[in-house]
Amino acid sequence: GNSVTQMEGPVTLSEEAFLTINCTYTATGYPSLFWYVQYPGEGLQLLLKATKADDKGSNKGFEATYRKETTSFHLEKGSVQVSDSAVYFCALSDLQGAQKLVFGQGTRLTINP
Amino acid sequence: DAGVTQSPTHLIKTRGQHVTLRCSPISGHKSVSWYQQVLGQGPQFIFQYYEKEERGRGNFPDRFSARQFPNYSSELNVNALLLGDSALYLCASSLAGGSAAGYGYTFGSGTRLTVV
Repeated sequence: GNSVTQMEGPVTLSEEAFLTINCTYTATGYPSLFWYVQYPGEGLQLLLKATKADDKGSNKGFEATYRKETTSFHLEKGSVQVSDSAVYFCALSDLQGAQKLVFGQGTRLTINP
Repeated sequence: DAGVTQSPTHLIKTRGQHVTLRCSPISGHKSVSWYQQVLGQGPQFIFQYYEKEERGRGNFPDRFSARQFPNYSSELNVNALLLGDSALYLCASSLAGGSAAGYGYTFGSGTRLTVV
């Protein structure tokens, strides 16, 4: 079945550092790919998405590129802020059967001032 | 505009009891999905409803059931609660009931269920 594997956390960085959170997937066909963010005590917020190979999703300084050849969708940001501290989830849309999102296990990110 | 609203926000139940969780989608959204998020893990798909019909079901026991009403709001019911049902239950709405491609889902803040 379809699955998503994320870089294990937690990840701790200093403010203004460069961020990469790795995400790889296994899927039949060409799913859409998403990054969601979850702040403490809240639900999930869509951060960015890409619907086809080589698409780049971007939002709030975060970027991720849909790489079909490496089945990856790594999240990057050039200069993180304390307010970026949260849990980040990579997900894909399952195109077979139930129309659902399949999530990775999440990566907790902490940014220190 | 109101986002996806869920009620209640927190709930404590005893093993063996029944619980009903409620969700109102974004206005104009006809699809509602339910996810279970156990502490420290990613959300797991439970159900999807579109135009009041079940479109998909995840790998959950029959103790879990759901329905969607004519106004597109939805209820998730769980019978005979177990300690392992303790989790954050998330509702997500979407414009369409088909592939999530291009639409994504908007999530509510969830209902945190604790079973004691």
